[in-house]
Amino acid sequence: NAGVTQTPKFRVLKTGQSMTLLCAQDMNHEYMYWYRQDPGMGLRLIHYSVGEGTTAKGEVPDGYNVSRLKKQNFLLGLESAAPSQTSVYFCASSSRTGGTQYFGPGTRLLVL
Amino acid sequence: AQRVTQPEKLLSVFKGAPVELKCNYSYSGSPELFWYVQYSRQRLQLLLRHISRESIKGFTADLNKGETSFHLKKPFAQEEDSAMYYCALANAGGTSYGKLTFGQGTILTVHP
Repeated sequence: NAGVTQTPKFRVLKTGQSMTLLCAQDMNHEYMYWYRQDPGMGLRLIHYSVGEGTTAKGEVPDGYNVSRLKKQNFLLGLESAAPSQTSVYFCASSSRTGGTQYFGPGTRLLVL
Repeated sequence: AQRVTQPEKLLSVFKGAPVELKCNYSYSGSPELFWYVQYSRQRLQLLLRHISRESIKGFTADLNKGETSFHLKKPFAQEEDSAMYYCALANAGGTSYGKLTFGQGTILTVHP
């Protein structure tokens, strides 16, 4: 039981490049979330999903897209990376009854 | 709009001293409050939630609706308590889909 996993762990991009971050959970959770963590800003919600095939915008969605084609996976895409997207990205999941969110180990992204 | 404020970015104490990490929130509905902790090189994990009314690793937190606070306390800090602590808020009712609003985080350092 791996919980929540994220790939890759670290990535360096040039401005304008695209990439996809993958989040996978094996707890059969309905809800999944993508956050970014920046110094002094805490964690901010980018997008979230309440079930397979559904996505919704969070607090800071601009510049990102997401997809949830399978219940266990939640993908975060950057179509044209910008230096302002340099951050640590965390994925989390929770059950339909809510409460505790379980986090992945994070992906550190540097955009040059 | 809901908001969580952690006024201290950094907090330093000596081993054995009491510690209090402050958290204030603004929310018009019925809140559910959490404390999450991130130890060095580990993922974010739940420390405690107010509805559980339990003590985890010697930490307690009481929800004070009058002062809109949810401060985290421990009477005798240990070096292994050194970590980043996040206070978080969720809507206890309605269709919030478990979304959390995080504070900015407080880095606690416990010196030997």
